[in-house]
Amino acid sequence: QKEVEQDPGPLSVPEGAIVSLNCTYSNSAFQYFMWYRQYSRKGPELLMYTYSSGNKEDGRFTAQVDKSSKYISLFIRDSQPSDSATYLCAFESNSGYALNFGKGTSLLVTP
Amino acid sequence: EAGVAQSPRYKIIEKRQSVAFWCNPISGHATLYWYQQILGQGPKLLIQFQNNGVVDDSQLPKDRFSAERLKGVDSTLKIQPAKLEDSAVYLCASSLSGVGEKLFFGSGTQLSVL
Repeated sequence: QKEVEQDPGPLSVPEGAIVSLNCTYSNSAFQYFMWYRQYSRKGPELLMYTYSSGNKEDGRFTAQVDKSSKYISLFIRDSQPSDSATYLCAFESNSGYALNFGKGTSLLVTP
Repeated sequence: EAGVAQSPRYKIIEKRQSVAFWCNPISGHATLYWYQQILGQGPKLLIQFQNNGVVDDSQLPKDRFSAERLKGVDSTLKIQPAKLEDSAVYLCASSLSGVGEKLFFGSGTQLSVL
């Protein structure tokens, strides 16, 4: 079983739609849960960061963590064409070792 | 605040040649990472430095890849000799201290090995 599973898509939605992106993980040592956004030919940039189970909201973005199910989600409300990018989930343990990334989900928001 | 700088942006070489990438992290960031991102996949850690010491290089193919971080600031990643499967984007990232800290990525170096 891979440590991190993420559906690569591509996912195509019309502008204004609600987008749901998901990842599952198997390592119980993961304590930090992140979503990075990566535009074409750019490096990833941090979008959302959570430490505990529950929801965290930032503008149109909501990150959800369910540690008991080892499942995290990112919701994008009122999606815009500028949201078209690859979204990477990432996980980190307390050991000091670096992030484990999912494969990324490619999202296209059409006008 | 200046971001993570990487050069070159693109590099094309033939297999068995050597290549080097350079990274200048954000000023004051103690932790520096090199990631390899193959097309369609997420970044995979190659090596992590804390100041100028290596924290993790377990996934670095040490028979052909080497990296150094002199004086705890700039870093170079070298591949010698390159193989076709090394074609990827090489991303450098830095963070203040490591655990639980936000990573800042550079735009990467896109390597094509022919």
